[in-house]
Amino acid sequence: KAGVTQTPRYLIKTRGQQVTLSCSPISGHRSVSWYQQTPGQGLQFLFEYFSETQRNKGNFPGRFSGRQFSNSRSEMNVSTLELGDSALYLCASSLVGQSGNEQFFGPGTRLTVL
Amino acid sequence: AQSVAQPEDQVNVAEGNPLTVKCTYSVSGNPYLFWYVQYPNRGLQFLLKYITGDNLVKGSYGFEAEFNKSQTSFHLKKPSALVSDSALYFCAVRDIAVNNRLAFGKGNQVVVIP
Repeated sequence: KAGVTQTPRYLIKTRGQQVTLSCSPISGHRSVSWYQQTPGQGLQFLFEYFSETQRNKGNFPGRFSGRQFSNSRSEMNVSTLELGDSALYLCASSLVGQSGNEQFFGPGTRLTVL
Repeated sequence: AQSVAQPEDQVNVAEGNPLTVKCTYSVSGNPYLFWYVQYPNRGLQFLLKYITGDNLVKGSYGFEAEFNKSQTSFHLKKPSALVSDSALYFCAVRDIAVNNRLAFGKGNQVVVIP
């Protein structure tokens, strides 16, 4: 079974631009979560989607948004990029809504904002 | 809100010696606990989890962890470390009584010395 895939793997943008990252979960997984990883803040939860609905949201500004499609693929968008948005963005998928299920992570998208 | 503490920044251990990575947590209800490992330029890989039942949990690659409710700890252990175990290790907790989010510790860099 194929793992979680994320595209693109690397991205370079300038301040003020916007960016869209894509995530394809493991087949059969309906929950997709997004995380931001930085050396200073570690892993921070952005949001979780389940059946095309945002089920949970972290403490990030409204510039960060996401969505999930009917095939469970998910995208996250960051508008008006700031230097501090440079990070590794990780997507994780898990089986239907069970809290005890582990999440499976993709390789991440490395975003650099210049 | 739930939180995880991984008190040591780096753990150095000689190859063949026992490896321990410490984790303590704080939740309002019963915790769901997880350990993940991250290799350079990769996403997180699931190692093991505690949901309920036996306090000693066995996972991938010879790792195990012991859930201690009175000490609110979930330390990761391996009897004999390998050089290939050198990586970043994350402890995570989910508090289903509050918000069902997965909160990660800051991570511990493990260095296994040949």
